[in-house]
Amino acid sequence: GQQLNQSPQSMFIQEGEDVSMNCTSSSIFNTWLWYKQDPGEGPVLLIALYKAGELTSNGRLTAQFGITRKDSFLNISASIPSDVGIYFCAGLFMGGSQGNLIFGKGTKLSVKP
Amino acid sequence: EADIYQTPRYLVIGTGKKITLECSQTMGHDKMYWYQQDPGMELHLIHYSYGVNSTEKGDLSSESTVSRIRTEHFPLTLESARPSHTSQYLCASSELGHPYGYTFGSGTRLTVV
Repeated sequence: GQQLNQSPQSMFIQEGEDVSMNCTSSSIFNTWLWYKQDPGEGPVLLIALYKAGELTSNGRLTAQFGITRKDSFLNISASIPSDVGIYFCAGLFMGGSQGNLIFGKGTKLSVKP
Repeated sequence: EADIYQTPRYLVIGTGKKITLECSQTMGHDKMYWYQQDPGMELHLIHYSYGVNSTEKGDLSSESTVSRIRTEHFPLTLESARPSHTSQYLCASSELGHPYGYTFGSGTRLTVV
């Protein structure tokens, strides 16, 4: 089936740092979504993108729908401790998957010791 | 405020027992999903439903079964629990054909001893 390659798999942040993560695919997607999962909870939608080239912000979060429709990135500016968690990209594949979202494997954000 | 509810939040059960994980949503969503999340974070789709009386198998083979007798209710059943079933189970729902993504429940952490 279709896959999303999400990177990095994990990263450590210090408060105040900017964070960047991305998702790529060999296939074209017509929707990109970014979710965050806090420990012990389900993922929560952060940002949804529907058009190639679209750049959308939600507070300190900014995400872009790649112009080729095959990638997306998420940036977090001036990170704070509550940003820790697992971030998932998800895409709706144009060619099938029964209309189900395809999820990346996640990026785990932790605080630097 | 959560619009999709999963019970129980935590369950420790002995091998061979039959268990049912409950999932209910109040949003009137047609489509519902069950995901299994391993400790490595990745989300695996195990079941989904397009609506009442519809159940489909997901990408990851699972010994569990599901039913959809009412729009709002999508329970998952394990007839005979085994230690290999130990995992986090997440339920989600979405509008049929709607690109706004999924709403997830808080999950059930299942431990089979």
